[in-house]
Amino acid sequence: ETGVTQSPTHLIKTRGQQVTLRCSSQSGHNTVSWYQQALGQGPQFIFQYYREEENGRGNFPPRFSGLQFPNYSSELNVNALELDDSALYLCASSLLRLGLGVSEQFFGPGTRLTVL
Amino acid sequence: KQEVTQIPAALSVPEGENLVLNCSFTDSAIYNLQWFRQDPGKGLTSLLLIQSSQREQTSGRLNASLDKSSGRSTLYIAASQPGDSATYLCAVRTGANSKLTFGKGITLSVRP
Repeated sequence: ETGVTQSPTHLIKTRGQQVTLRCSSQSGHNTVSWYQQALGQGPQFIFQYYREEENGRGNFPPRFSGLQFPNYSSELNVNALELDDSALYLCASSLLRLGLGVSEQFFGPGTRLTVL
Repeated sequence: KQEVTQIPAALSVPEGENLVLNCSFTDSAIYNLQWFRQDPGKGLTSLLLIQSSQREQTSGRLNASLDKSSGRSTLYIAASQPGDSATYLCAVRTGANSKLTFGKGITLSVRP
């Protein structure tokens, strides 16, 4: 059984650019969530995908978008990067069974994004 | 709107001390609560998960308790070690399909 993996580990971009972050969920999991963690803060929920559809979104603008693929891996895309987008981006996966609840959520190591 | 608070923001203790980390939340209607550990610049490692119907969970030297009525959880660490130095985050989920709401974490330093 493999855990949650994310790529790349680090990324440096300039304002206005676009970025794509990738996540592979833990084996057997069908739900992926993305979080943004600014320095010294707790993670903030961006959105969640279940069976390739977004089924929950936090207080983030539309330039934050995502995808989930049939193998349950996921991408986070951020357009028109701003300085405040500099943060650690965390991906987490879990198993959601409708009517039965959700399993413990496991996190990946994160992608450190720096916007200059 | 659920809010999670962890006070103090930082804590320094000598090795061997037993310690308690506190977490409070504003909406007692939670689905479950999870405690995480985060080393500097790294991802989150799940320590303990407590379902809303449970009062406590134990794993090794760690024990987490949950009191929904008062909106509180505590993480007890027995016989602390320098390797326990990290940031500890508390997170609550209000529904089976909802997000995790995190506190800002408590940065623990265990002095040899």
